[in-house]
Amino acid sequence: DGGITQSPKYLFRKEGQNVTLSCEQNLNHDAMYWYRQDPGQGLRLIYYSQIVNDFQKGDIAEGYSVSREKKESFPLTVTSAQKNPTAFYLCASSRARGEANYGYTFGSGTRLTVV
Amino acid sequence: QKEVEQNSGPLSVPEGAIASLNCTYSDRGSQSFFWYRQYSGKSPELIMFIYSNGDKEDGRFTAQLNKASQYVSLLIRDSQPSDSATYLCAVNIWVNSGGYQKVTFGIGTKLQVIP
Repeated sequence: DGGITQSPKYLFRKEGQNVTLSCEQNLNHDAMYWYRQDPGQGLRLIYYSQIVNDFQKGDIAEGYSVSREKKESFPLTVTSAQKNPTAFYLCASSRARGEANYGYTFGSGTRLTVV
Repeated sequence: QKEVEQNSGPLSVPEGAIASLNCTYSDRGSQSFFWYRQYSGKSPELIMFIYSNGDKEDGRFTAQLNKASQYVSLLIRDSQPSDSATYLCAVNIWVNSGGYQKVTFGIGTKLQVIP
């Protein structure tokens, strides 16, 4: 079955450590997105990519980095510069470049906690 | 003004009643509107999308769009306890003129259906 796979499901980060969240899709979607969800704040866009080898900053990109070397993969690195990384991270994809008209398919999420 | 506004709730309705969820948006150029359902601890899933003024029905769900008033609503008929979840309103917004689109989410309305 087609879908989006995020791993790991739970991740614990030590102070000053970089961690990478994986996102893989087999839906043949062009566009991929990373959102962060905090209680009471809804989903906030971190980065998005409409095509391979191209990505754009979202509303809260500071302290994060991404790459899009393959259509299927859009990993997110949470760097030590991100001072409050504890959150639920959601990866999503949509059908066509520049068009989110059909809505997103979401992965199951990664819950990141700073220890 | 927030780009997408929703009342966080909770909205409590008895089983079998109609639940009415509301959302307003600020960008008059928006063309696509979505409702996602999110169960506690899970990722959002798309349940409805609407592009044109008026009503769109899918089973027990009806989405209503009024572009002049910049207002979107979701009606759930014959509400069931399994409908208890947070409902996210999302709107497609142009990032740059003629450039990329992104979807902006409201904070979500928590619905509780009381047996």
